[in-house]
Amino acid sequence: EAQVTQNPRYLITVTGKKLTVTCSQNMNHEYMSWYRQDPGLGLRQIYYSMNVEVTDKGDVPEGYKVSRKEKRNFPLILESPSPNQTSLYFCASSLNRGAGDIQYFGAGTRLSVL
Amino acid sequence: GESVGLHLPTLSVQEGDNSIINCAYSNSASDYFIWYKQESGKGPQFIIDIRSNMDKRQGQRVTVLLNKTVKHLSLQIAATQPGDSAVYFCAENDYKLSFGAGTTVTVRA
Repeated sequence: EAQVTQNPRYLITVTGKKLTVTCSQNMNHEYMSWYRQDPGLGLRQIYYSMNVEVTDKGDVPEGYKVSRKEKRNFPLILESPSPNQTSLYFCASSLNRGAGDIQYFGAGTRLSVL
Repeated sequence: GESVGLHLPTLSVQEGDNSIINCAYSNSASDYFIWYKQESGKGPQFIIDIRSNMDKRQGQRVTVLLNKTVKHLSLQIAATQPGDSAVYFCAENDYKLSFGAGTTVTVRA
């Protein structure tokens, strides 16, 4: 089954404790991205990756890092989480980046930073 | 700032009636729009898309209308069912995917 898999689904952590949210897709997609979803703000893009070893900032990259060492994986790293990073996070992938390329989303990771 | 926005944050509709969800966009150069549906506890799921060279596109029980003159698009759901209860997002995919805040549709039995 074609899917985007995120782990963990739920995470509670404390300020400053490094964490990684994993994302994996099995569709051989070139393009992957991370979004955060906050009430009333829709989805905002954090980082995206056009291909292996190619990453770039989205609209809200501050406090986040990503890596793309393999095509299927695109982990999101919070080196020193802060309470304002409490949010619902989604990983998405598409064949390429451009009009007509439908993005497929994971089920989400709900993060709480205390 | 936000380049796409939905007109109403919530919509309550009787089961069996038609639903209309509206969305405005600001970038007149946008040439591709997508509607996503997000059910509780799940990620957004593609519903239907439309390119700027079209005015209307139909899918299964859904129709998207695009009015480029007033930079407005709408999603119509025919014979709304309980399974249609969700948050609906319009998004433009001109250079990157930009989402609005979403409209929560609640279907009354």
